[in-house]
Amino acid sequence: GQQVMQIPQYQHVQEGEDFTTYCNSSTTLSNIQWYKQRPGGHPVFLIQLVKSGEVKKQKRLTFQFGEAKKNSSLHITATQTTDVGTYFCAPRRSGGSNYKLTFGKGTLLTVNP
Amino acid sequence: DAGVIQSPRHEVTEMGQEVTLRCKPISGHNSLFWYRQTMMRGLELLIYFNNNVPIDDSGMPEDRFSAKMPNASFSTLKIQPSEPRDSAVYFCASSLEVAGGWEETQYFGPGTRLLVL
Repeated sequence: GQQVMQIPQYQHVQEGEDFTTYCNSSTTLSNIQWYKQRPGGHPVFLIQLVKSGEVKKQKRLTFQFGEAKKNSSLHITATQTTDVGTYFCAPRRSGGSNYKLTFGKGTLLTVNP
Repeated sequence: DAGVIQSPRHEVTEMGQEVTLRCKPISGHNSLFWYRQTMMRGLELLIYFNNNVPIDDSGMPEDRFSAKMPNASFSTLKIQPSEPRDSAVYFCASSLEVAGGWEETQYFGPGTRLLVL
């Protein structure tokens, strides 16, 4: 079955520092979505990447999809306390059931003000 | 748009009792998902409905779990009998599946936090 590894599991940063989380799959992906879950909250969709090598930006957030479509990353520039939460990648594998998102374990980000 | 609505938001029950979780998806969405989230296992897909029909229930842990979707605006997840290891946050999510089915965003409800004593 598809294996999704998300690293790191936890990351603690000082406000203003950068942050990156990585998502790696053992199989080629059709596309990948990223979600954010605030403490005590529910996952909220951030973005979807589809094309090989795709890069998308949302203000201080930069999302990348690897050339081989097996990995992805989320980078936050100059973190703020509002960035606190768990970031999940949710890949869809190629050729599989299109509806099925396989969520990674997530990276918990905490920010020290 | 009210978003996905779940009830109850919190449930505390004793082992052996029946638990029913409820979900109202976003109006117009044709796909509904039930997830379970725990620290150990993360976010797991339990069951997926499309147009009110269960398509994939391979994630349902065992026969104690059952889910129904009698109409497009309502779904239930039932655990009978409940056990302490069922304690988790249960999320319902909905989406609009289009032809090809690979672009949908899933909208999650606030979740039901279940504690089985």
